[in-house]
Amino acid sequence: DAGVTQSPTHLIKTRGQQVTLRCSPKSGHDTVSWYQQALGQGPQFIFQYYEEEERQRGNFPDRFSGHQFPNYSSELNVNALLLGDSALYLCASSLGAPSGEKLFFGSGTQLSVL
Amino acid sequence: AQSVSQHNHHVILSEAASLELGCNYSYGGTVNLFWYVQYPGQHLQLLLKYFSGDPLVKGIKGFEAEFIKSKFSFNLRKPSVQWSDTAEYFCAVLGGRDDKIIFGKGTRLHILP
Repeated sequence: DAGVTQSPTHLIKTRGQQVTLRCSPKSGHDTVSWYQQALGQGPQFIFQYYEEEERQRGNFPDRFSGHQFPNYSSELNVNALLLGDSALYLCASSLGAPSGEKLFFGSGTQLSVL
Repeated sequence: AQSVSQHNHHVILSEAASLELGCNYSYGGTVNLFWYVQYPGQHLQLLLKYFSGDPLVKGIKGFEAEFIKSKFSFNLRKPSVQWSDTAEYFCAVLGGRDDKIIFGKGTRLHILP
């Protein structure tokens, strides 16, 4: 039973570029949450997708957008990259709202913006 | 808005020492509380969770945490740590109408063999 898988594992971009990160949830899960974990910080909630719609959003600018597909997989897009966007981006899946089921985390995508 | 505060950023202990990591949250209503652990090179995984009932919850690997509502605290404890407990520990809270889990900044625990 595959857990949460994220791709790519590492990515290097330059300022101003755009990036797309991908996530496949754990089998049987229908909700995907995205987190940004900067060095030395805890994960910060970006947004959550359920039934192909953004259900919750954290304090992130509109440069951060996402999508969920009918097979529950999800993408995180970041436009006009800034140096401060360098971080580990974590995807977590759950069955329904996280309150009813624990979150399963992927290993993350390490994004470096030069 | 909910927030989580972890008191210690970096803790160093010797094997067999007792551990207590502090966590306080700010939310006046019903909360669900979690401790997650991130071992070196691995992904975040759940240690234990509190939803309701007995305020003393037991998790994996001998960890436990006590929910004290009056103190808005959910401290993590382990009577005797092992070298393999070296990891980063995150306290998290889920409360109110939000379905998003808010994490603290983490405590990096280093166990000396």
